[in-house]
Amino acid sequence: FMLTQPRSVSESPGKTVTISCTRSNGSIDNNYVQWYQQRPGSAPTTVIYEDDQRPSGVPDRFSGSIDSSSNSASLIISGLKTEDEADYYCQSYETGVVFGGGTKLTVL
Amino acid sequence: QVQLQESGPGLVKPSETLSLTCTVSGGLITTYYWSWIRQPPGKGLEWIGYIFHSGTTNYNPSLKSRVTISIDTSRNQFSLKLRSVTAADTALYYCARLKYDLLWGDFDSWGQGTLVTVSS
Repeated sequence: FMLTQPRSVSESPGKTVTISCTRSNGSIDNNYVQWYQQRPGSAPTTVIYEDDQRPSGVPDRFSGSIDSSSNSASLIISGLKTEDEADYYCQSYETGVVFGGGTKLTVL
Repeated sequence: QVQLQESGPGLVKPSETLSLTCTVSGGLITTYYWSWIRQPPGKGLEWIGYIFHSGTTNYNPSLKSRVTISIDTSRNQFSLKLRSVTAADTALYYCARLKYDLLWGDFDSWGQGTLVTVSS
């Protein structure tokens, strides 16, 4: 299966942005969805794991959700800050690990 | 706090074998699953495969014919071999720890990544 993300999104500081991740076949509920943030020159770090769980140290401005009707997952970032500008990847599992293609978030 | 560190040649010739090692410190390699992930310059993440301490492996179908991941529990290391490389294998290679608890979780620890260039 594939995980499809928008290539880019942009929003203003203080606003809320939603990044979608749509599973091509099989149910989005089959396995957990994770979200990673990758800043330039750095390794990815988890911002959401197990669909909607936030690791310690990740601000509560970051949240995750699953929508079975659209077979998709979403990463929601509220109160956008310029430091949130990064690439975001969703990831899940079936017979192996699958990453989405990544979304470049611009905060302008 | 577990730490991962990749090591290996930064330049490999076409048709040869890419070999990398990941050293795990601050935790035992006999728990969790351990994985290799790569990222071509300017592109997204691609999962290569994972290994458990028992030796159980799982590979990306698109790379399976060329990949071997092995583990050395005595040295707390795991390794990647990718055969018959081409320029398309040029990428930043990461090792990472993969969580599993009834269902698959996230890659919760990553190495800093090592750039491997395939060129003659």
